Amino acid sequence: QQPVQSPQAVILREGEDAVINCSSSKALYSVHWYRQKHGEAPVFLMILLKGGEQKGHEKISASFNEKKQQSSLYLTASQLSYSGTYFCGTLAGGTSYGKLTFGQGTILTVHP
Amino acid sequence: NAGVMQNPRHLVRRRGQEARLRCSPMKGHSHVYWYRQLPEEGLKFMVYLQKENIIDESGMPKERFSAEFPKEGPSILRIQQVVRGDSAAYFCASSAQGGDEQYFGPGTRLTVT
Repeated sequence: QQPVQSPQAVILREGEDAVINCSSSKALYSVHWYRQKHGEAPVFLMILLKGGEQKGHEKISASFNEKKQQSSLYLTASQLSYSGTYFCGTLAGGTSYGKLTFGQGTILTVHP
Repeated sequence: NAGVMQNPRHLVRRRGQEARLRCSPMKGHSHVYWYRQLPEEGLKFMVYLQKENIIDESGMPKERFSAEFPKEGPSILRIQQVVRGDSAAYFCASSAQGGDEQYFGPGTRLTVT
């Protein structure tokens, strides 16, 4: 079952903040965040592992609530380059360590 | 450090033809994943491979689709007798270990006419 992302779309002005949420009904091993611009490949942003370990870009922060199987991506002081579609991908227990199941995406638009 | 490479970037096939999509993982990566993305939709897992082994093909249609990752050379996703519904972007990703972050290639955009 695919994770659910919210909101579906966000419109910001440069410098504003946003939070994107990802929720799963399954017990998760990890959550992966990606940004995709139109016509391009998804770009890795962050991975959050069960147990607290995380790695990713310095300017990106995220959280993973293991009890609730929820993750949030925090975008602060947004820039025009942040525009794109954000996907969370989840690795659930009981599946292979490669099968990322992606949410439906959150479209972020940053205006000058 | 070269990233994940895919070719061709664009592929046009007539209905009934075969499509072969290639993926070379990032240097040092031995785990390869294939995903399909329909226009304006999310990414759907198809298959997970290691060298010479299919680890998880639970997302692969049962017919017409196959994937391999030979000891030498790129991973291949093969679609036989393509239909219009196969038109999509096919992305390959790779990682150093299973469960690690996955890095995506530029994708192959398949159009079936």
